[in-house]
Amino acid sequence: DAGVIQSPRHEVTEMGQEVTLRCKPISGHNSLFWYRQTMMRGLELLIYFNNNVPIDDSGMPEDRFSAKMPNASFSTLKIQPSEPRDSAVYFCASSWEANYGSYTFGSGTRLTVV
Amino acid sequence: DAKTTQPTSMDCAEGRAANLPCNHSTISGNEYVYWYRQIHSQGPQYIIHGLKNNETNEMASLIITEDRKSSTLILPHATLRDTAVYYCIVRSLGNEKLTFGTGTRLTIIP
Repeated sequence: DAGVIQSPRHEVTEMGQEVTLRCKPISGHNSLFWYRQTMMRGLELLIYFNNNVPIDDSGMPEDRFSAKMPNASFSTLKIQPSEPRDSAVYFCASSWEANYGSYTFGSGTRLTVV
Repeated sequence: DAKTTQPTSMDCAEGRAANLPCNHSTISGNEYVYWYRQIHSQGPQYIIHGLKNNETNEMASLIITEDRKSSTLILPHATLRDTAVYYCIVRSLGNEKLTFGTGTRLTIIP
């Protein structure tokens, strides 16, 4: 298995532009999580899905952020419009319902908004 | 979920056992202890978890005290590749969310 696949690995964009981060979870996993990591705030859970349905989006910082999971093999995290304070590493993780708490993380997307 | 307390940083000599402590004095009966680590520039990696019995796998051992108020992650023969930030997390059964704290930065010294 290739693991959790995130793209792009790096993204540099100008303030005000739309950014879309992508994630392909491990096949068979039915939960998907989006985290953000910064030096100041550490690892923060933004949103998670179970069976493609958003369960908890209380960590999404504001309306500029949105996430979708149209099917079991794909999810996106969109920021529109982007701001410099959104610069961070964004991680996607997936897990299997019967093995709660054992997440597999992707390699992350390093986002820089200038 | 119960709060955890970990030392900010630790050093360990290569080849020796690395013992990472975690305090979770407010843990309740249905809460598990999880350990993850994050090597620089990579995503966090699951290591091990347990409820009340000691656990061992190919990566590490987890020792949970009888009163469950603290635990220790043991890397039996540390290598330079074990240099990472180690997170101790308490999570209740039925709660899918994992909340990461600041962890312990473990440095393995040649």
